[in-house]
Amino acid sequence: EPEVTQTPSHQVTQMGQEVILRCVPISNHLYFYWYRQILGQKVEFLVSFYNNEISEKSEIFDDQFSVERPDGSNFTLKIRSTKLEDSAMYFCASSGGDTSFNEQFFGPGTRLTVL
Amino acid sequence: AQSVTQLGSHVSVSEGALVLLRCNYSSSVPPYLFWYVQYPNQGLQLLLKYTSAATLVKGINGFEAEFKKSETSFHLTKPSAHMSDAAEYFCAVSDESFQKLVFGTGTRLLVSP
Repeated sequence: EPEVTQTPSHQVTQMGQEVILRCVPISNHLYFYWYRQILGQKVEFLVSFYNNEISEKSEIFDDQFSVERPDGSNFTLKIRSTKLEDSAMYFCASSGGDTSFNEQFFGPGTRLTVL
Repeated sequence: AQSVTQLGSHVSVSEGALVLLRCNYSSSVPPYLFWYVQYPNQGLQLLLKYTSAATLVKGINGFEAEFKKSETSFHLTKPSAHMSDAAEYFCAVSDESFQKLVFGTGTRLLVSP
């Protein structure tokens, strides 16, 4: 069964450093998303991406964040200068352009720890 | 704006007992509602979804949920809990654009023998 994959599973970085979180969505999906979950809190929407551009973003997704689909398979989230409060689990999701467009499939997440 | 409220951060049941996890939503447009399950150290897996068809929705692993517009609720039930049901359950709402999911705070289900 097709699945969303994410790398790395755990990333540790120093405050102020740039990080790139990588995702490989399901191959025929057209819509891509990033969410985050701070430990003990709810899952929060960050950004959605379609047709090579951002279609919606939350207030969390400020200038420090960017997304890119550099090739036909990867979808990345970059945090330019990490802060302590960026420590969280980051989930990538994708959905299809056919009848499954309303179902988002989630990856296993990347745990980001900012020291 | 859309929002979801899940009552009870923790629910404990005995194996074989009824599972009831509560979810109430707020939406100014017709909502689309979802239940996701998260097992330890794993991602979110869709249990079931309501997308304006039948109000009683059946999902995987014996779970079902009923959309009640008058009560703005979408509670998740399972007639008989199994030890393997122990996990975190999230209710989520979206609008017809499906641009984003708005999640509740989650309910941790504990199942005792």
